[in-house]
Amino acid sequence: EDQVTQSPEALRLQEGESSSLNCSYTVSGLRGLFWYRQDPGKGPEFLFTLYSAGEEKEKERLKATLTKKESFLHITAPKPEDSATYLCAVQASEAGNMLTFGGGTRLMVKP
Amino acid sequence: ETGVTQTPRHLVMGMTNKKSLKCEQHLGHNAMYWYKQSAKKPLELMFVYSLEERVENNSVPSRFSPECPNSSHLFLHLHTLQPEDSALYLCASSQDITYEQYFGPGTRLTVT
Repeated sequence: EDQVTQSPEALRLQEGESSSLNCSYTVSGLRGLFWYRQDPGKGPEFLFTLYSAGEEKEKERLKATLTKKESFLHITAPKPEDSATYLCAVQASEAGNMLTFGGGTRLMVKP
Repeated sequence: ETGVTQTPRHLVMGMTNKKSLKCEQHLGHNAMYWYKQSAKKPLELMFVYSLEERVENNSVPSRFSPECPNSSHLFLHLHTLQPEDSALYLCASSQDITYEQYFGPGTRLTVT
């Protein structure tokens, strides 16, 4: 059974304090790993897709990386507006290409 | 309207009521999804439609009944729900089932 585990569950940072969120996965036949951002009371917002180990994607203060067992979402010099829950999901060909989501990391950035 | 829209945004219903959730996507996508998001639990996939054909039914109780009349619209019909069905119901769409999904804002459902 595909498994996706995100850590930590919650992370408090000061503005400007860089850190990383982790998404570890166990899946057969990975097709892609997706990162989403979710603000309270809203639907998840797509950020990145990573397809193969060694791949990296960047968007503003966010950078996502992928290995064969985990993905990291690096946040450089975060701002309060980066506060949100970050979700990762894996897509496996043996699961009919459906997404399996992790539990998310709730990020709080204090000014 | 742009992206994925959902109505209503909030719904309170009794256990004997029948109601429907509506989702519309304005992205020209061919796949649509229903997810359930409960507190402290990961997003749970409920139903998937690709080109208006149901391709996934993730062991969802029969009190939830999906309908996809065309590639732009998706409904979730609800009847005789239980209090544990209270959750945020999210609709999503994608170009096809291999591509990234785009989510609507969700319907916050409370069953009393």
